[in-house]
Amino acid sequence: GAGVSQTPSNKVTEKGKYVELRCDPISGHTALYWYRQSLGQGPEFLIYFQGTGAADDSGLPNDRFFAVRPEGSVSTLKIQRTERGDSAVYLCASSLAWNTEAFFGQGTRLTVV
Amino acid sequence: QQQVKQSPQSLIVQKGGISIINCAYENTAFDYFPWYQQFPGKGPALLIAIRPDVSEKKEGRFTISFNKSAKQFSLHIMDSQPGDSATYFCAATSYYAGGTSYGKLTFGQGTILTVHP
Repeated sequence: GAGVSQTPSNKVTEKGKYVELRCDPISGHTALYWYRQSLGQGPEFLIYFQGTGAADDSGLPNDRFFAVRPEGSVSTLKIQRTERGDSAVYLCASSLAWNTEAFFGQGTRLTVV
Repeated sequence: QQQVKQSPQSLIVQKGGISIINCAYENTAFDYFPWYQQFPGKGPALLIAIRPDVSEKKEGRFTISFNKSAKQFSLHIMDSQPGDSATYFCAATSYYAGGTSYGKLTFGQGTILTVHP
């Protein structure tokens, strides 16, 4: 596609539920990143994929958060047992290689009620 | 050590004025300093970036000034326009200090810029 696509745009879920957020990177981009942006804050790094493997998952806050990229393209961020504190905009970005500009998607706004 | 501190939190300027946003960092291993512009409901978009081997970079109305010894860098927007009204983020990253990619960015807290007509 023309840009990084994230679905859904908005997700409202109940506390304790499981959610999946999807990211379609720009075609041909090997690097993919997930960030979390809380209201009024800058994005915070969660995880970085190079191809199919998670090269750096140091930003994942706890073991309720998990992400996959099985075929080196689409990625899914999975959050188990959601908590109200997980409410934020989850941003995905992709880049052609590790040392090139990262392009961000529009984000998925997650609200846990 | 990974923090990037950004100021001011918000900024109001008149059309045609100069907008200045400042950032300070702690990690001396940072070697790439981009600025991002974010409109409501959109993801951040790269505006301009600098590496520490130069003290200034200019692209159109946007200029980054970089002071390596002070560990500070700033964004100057000349002839500010209402269409520049957005949230601006500075960021920093390093490949050599344990970072694995230039896409692993540490962001500042953001500055909400409002340009009045």
